[in-house]
Amino acid sequence: AAGVIQSPRHLIKEKRETATLKCYPIPRHDTVYWYQQGPGQDPQFLISFYEKMQSDKGSIPDRFSAQQFSDYHSELNMSSLELGDSALYFCASSPRRGTYEQYFGPGTRLTVT
Amino acid sequence: AQTVTQSQPEMSVQEAETVTLSCTYDTSESDYYLFWYKQPPSRQMILVIRQEAYKQQNATENRFSVNFQKAAKSFSLKISDSQLGDAAMYFCAYRSAGTSHFGNEKLTFGTGTRLTIIP
Repeated sequence: AAGVIQSPRHLIKEKRETATLKCYPIPRHDTVYWYQQGPGQDPQFLISFYEKMQSDKGSIPDRFSAQQFSDYHSELNMSSLELGDSALYFCASSPRRGTYEQYFGPGTRLTVT
Repeated sequence: AQTVTQSQPEMSVQEAETVTLSCTYDTSESDYYLFWYKQPPSRQMILVIRQEAYKQQNATENRFSVNFQKAAKSFSLKISDSQLGDAAMYFCAYRSAGTSHFGNEKLTFGTGTRLTIIP
């Protein structure tokens, strides 16, 4: 079965640079969620989109922005990167009807040096 | 806001034995969903089991079962016949059950329990 695809899997950036993380949800899933997992921590919700509209917002820094496109893929844009942004970034998707389960992608490991 | 607490940072169990991981949560909502996710060393988040709050029957998935005590706001995970492949970080998670797609679908996680399997 198709899974959530995230790219790139690994990313190394320097402080003050920008990064773009991409997420391709499972086909026919219209809701996308972004989570950030710091070292030794639990995943923290950042933002979600439903039918290309922002549906919820968590502890996402103002330096970050995200959007969902017409093909339902989503991108997380991160600017003025800081050392503390080094983390594993997960994307998860879920369908509109029937299920309340979120299926996670493999994550993008971002390292800021 | 909902909170999820896992009071056991680490647990260990002998291979083939049974282990129970604890989770408590705090919410004012009456309808919600609870999940256990497994995160092995690969860091992939894998759904292990889910429980709907309106269901009294405890969920079971093969060797994994839960003890859901709604009044006590407790949701423990029991792993039977532990296997080496069960070694991982286990996260308990909460999700509201609102029908709107706006504002209530995010997962709130506990801090996790690292499970070690002793051969």
